[in-house]
Amino acid sequence: DIVMTQSPDSLAVSLGERATINCKSSQSVLYSSNNKNYLAWYQQKPGQPPKLLIYWASTRESGVPDRFTGSGSGTDFTLTISSLQAEDVAVYYCQQHYITPPTFGGGTKVEIK
Amino acid sequence: QVHLVQSGAEVKKPGSSVKVSCKASGGTFNNSAISWLRQAPGQGLEWMGGIVPIFGTTSYSQKFQGRVTITADKSTSTAYMELSSLRSEDTAVYYCARDDGHFDYWGQGTLVTVSS
Repeated sequence: DIVMTQSPDSLAVSLGERATINCKSSQSVLYSSNNKNYLAWYQQKPGQPPKLLIYWASTRESGVPDRFTGSGSGTDFTLTISSLQAEDVAVYYCQQHYITPPTFGGGTKVEIK
Repeated sequence: QVHLVQSGAEVKKPGSSVKVSCKASGGTFNNSAISWLRQAPGQGLEWMGGIVPIFGTTSYSQKFQGRVTITADKSTSTAYMELSSLRSEDTAVYYCARDDGHFDYWGQGTLVTVSS
C-alpha cells in the first residue's frame, strides 16, 4: 500500500494569513502516460463527511474558493490556503488513488490563532 | 448533482453483522463506482472496498477481505455494505462515496457502535 504522510499534524494561523499543509507519498503517484498526479485533498468539519477540494493534485473542485490551491508532483504535495477564513477551520486530508487501495494521510487540523 | 443517503445508526453486539445502505439519486448510479470508507472516533479515513453497479464487480481492502461484502441493487440505485464478525474496533462512522478515483460525493455517514 502507498503510505501518505501529512505534516504538520496541526497548525494555528491568524485570520487572513497563509496556511500550508504538506503531504508526502511513499511512492510516486504521477501516471506518466497522462502526466496526472493521482492525488486529492479533502476538508472535513466536525460531524460532516469529507468534502473534495482538489483533485489531480491541482484542479479545484467546482464551487471551491480560489484561496485553496494544490501543488506538487510525484511524491511531494502541498495544499495552501492563501488567506485563512473562520470557515476554513477543519481537518484536511490528502489521498492517493494511483494504486488500490486508495489511502489517506493522517490529517492536519487547522485552527485560528 | 448526485445525492447519497445512508441508513441510520446501528448498535450491534460483538460477533454479529451489520448491513448499511446507501441510496443514490440525481446521477447515473449504474455507471459510477461506489466505495465504502470508515472513520473510527477521532481517527482518519480508511477505504474498505467498492463496487461498480453496472458490472457488479467488487474490490476489497485486504484488511477487510472475508468480513465485508458490498452489493448493489440497480433497480433502486442502492448500494449495501455488510460487515460481519463485528468487534469493538469496528465502532466507526461508515461512509459511502462516489468513486471517480477521488471521492466527489459522500453520504452523510452511518454510526455503527459495537458494544456488549
